[in-house]
Amino acid sequence: AQSVTQLDSQVPVFEEAPVELRCNYSSSVSVYLFWYVQYPNQGLQLLLKYLSGSTLVESINGFEAEFNKSQTSFHLRKPSVHISDTAEYFCAVNAGNNRKLIWGLGTSLAVNP
Amino acid sequence: NAGVTQTPKFRILKIGQSMTLQCTQDMNHNYMYWYRQDPGMGLKLIYYSVGAGITDKGEVPNGYNVSRSTTEDFPLRLELAAPSQTSVYFCASSYSGQDTQYFGPGTRLTVL
Repeated sequence: AQSVTQLDSQVPVFEEAPVELRCNYSSSVSVYLFWYVQYPNQGLQLLLKYLSGSTLVESINGFEAEFNKSQTSFHLRKPSVHISDTAEYFCAVNAGNNRKLIWGLGTSLAVNP
Repeated sequence: NAGVTQTPKFRILKIGQSMTLQCTQDMNHNYMYWYRQDPGMGLKLIYYSVGAGITDKGEVPNGYNVSRSTTEDFPLRLELAAPSQTSVYFCASSYSGQDTQYFGPGTRLTVL
């Protein structure tokens, strides 16, 4: 069975510091990987995704994630965070051309001044 | 494009009442999903649909019903509301199971 584990439920950081949000998955078949972001009192929106090709994917607001097949990970990173990055971040996996996503429980990123 | 719209935004129900949460998308997506989100519990899939006339149960379908008579609409029905159904409900749609899911703004439901 497929599963997704987000290793940190809360990550507090100071503004302009680097951050890494960790995501591991388990699957014996090929996967599609996603990071979604949820700002306070809003719905989720796609941050970035890996479908195929380059293992390093980037978002328009400076986040990046790297697909590591050997370690079954898809960690999200940003070299310098802003207050506006404060949000809940969800990792999700679609394995084996499934009809639905498997979701992690989320990581709450709190950026402090 | 409006994307995915949900109504109402907020609702308070008494135990035993029923209601329908509305969801509409204008992107001609085949796939539609209903999730509930509880603090610290992530997203739980209630029901999903891969096209008009086709629906399937997710992880937590008990106490809910859905229908998909058109591509655009995917209403979620609560028949006998219970306090355990207090949650935030999100509708989402996508072109396929591997594609980006687009989420509505959510409905915050309280059952007292």
